[in-house]
Amino acid sequence: DAKTTQPTSMDCAEGRAANLPCNHSTISGNEYVYWYRQIHSQGPQYIIHGLKNNETNEMASLIITEDRKSSTLILPHATLRDTAVYYCIVRVENTGTASKLTFGTGTRLQVTL
Amino acid sequence: DSGVTQTPKHLITATGQRVTLRCSPRSGDLSVYWYQQSLDQGLQFLIQYYNGEERAKGNILERFSAQQFPDLHSELNLSSLELGDSALYFCASSVEPYGYTFGSGTRLTVV
Repeated sequence: DAKTTQPTSMDCAEGRAANLPCNHSTISGNEYVYWYRQIHSQGPQYIIHGLKNNETNEMASLIITEDRKSSTLILPHATLRDTAVYYCIVRVENTGTASKLTFGTGTRLQVTL
Repeated sequence: DSGVTQTPKHLITATGQRVTLRCSPRSGDLSVYWYQQSLDQGLQFLIQYYNGEERAKGNILERFSAQQFPDLHSELNLSSLELGDSALYFCASSVEPYGYTFGSGTRLTVV
């Protein structure tokens, strides 16, 4: 699986959009970009994933550059509950036996009042 | 509730002891993954089972072993425990194409 690079930490004011960048310059054509988050010591939680088109769900939006070498996770209206470590992972989507997720160090997002 | 159940939630044991962590995947999920997260460390992949068979191995110590039973629950056995084995241990099952869903973890403290 391709390697990702994320900033170590970011701050965001409550109510503002949080934009979390991720570089994955060695991504392969069949690798998807996944985002997970881990709140305190809870189990990681799936947020969103995409291949090359921008994606949106009830939690967030994912913007992938045209060359697919980087992406941005957008939390449109951050709340204190969004304070967490956010992990960007690239992985081949597998509908068979499934491939493992390799977690990096992630970005620690602190949402403040 | 993610549907992945891990027991116990907390475990305190002494060095040199052996413990067993249990995981029940979401109903119908055939894959189980184990991860270790030490204090201030990232999530380290340990091992994957698929329908009872080992499929992938990560940074799992020889003192650790796992298995998946016919009812698809999995157990992670940790033996000859050391202080450095203190960590959160997460189990996940596969929910393609969304990747994984994780359990709430077992916090192991070795004293």
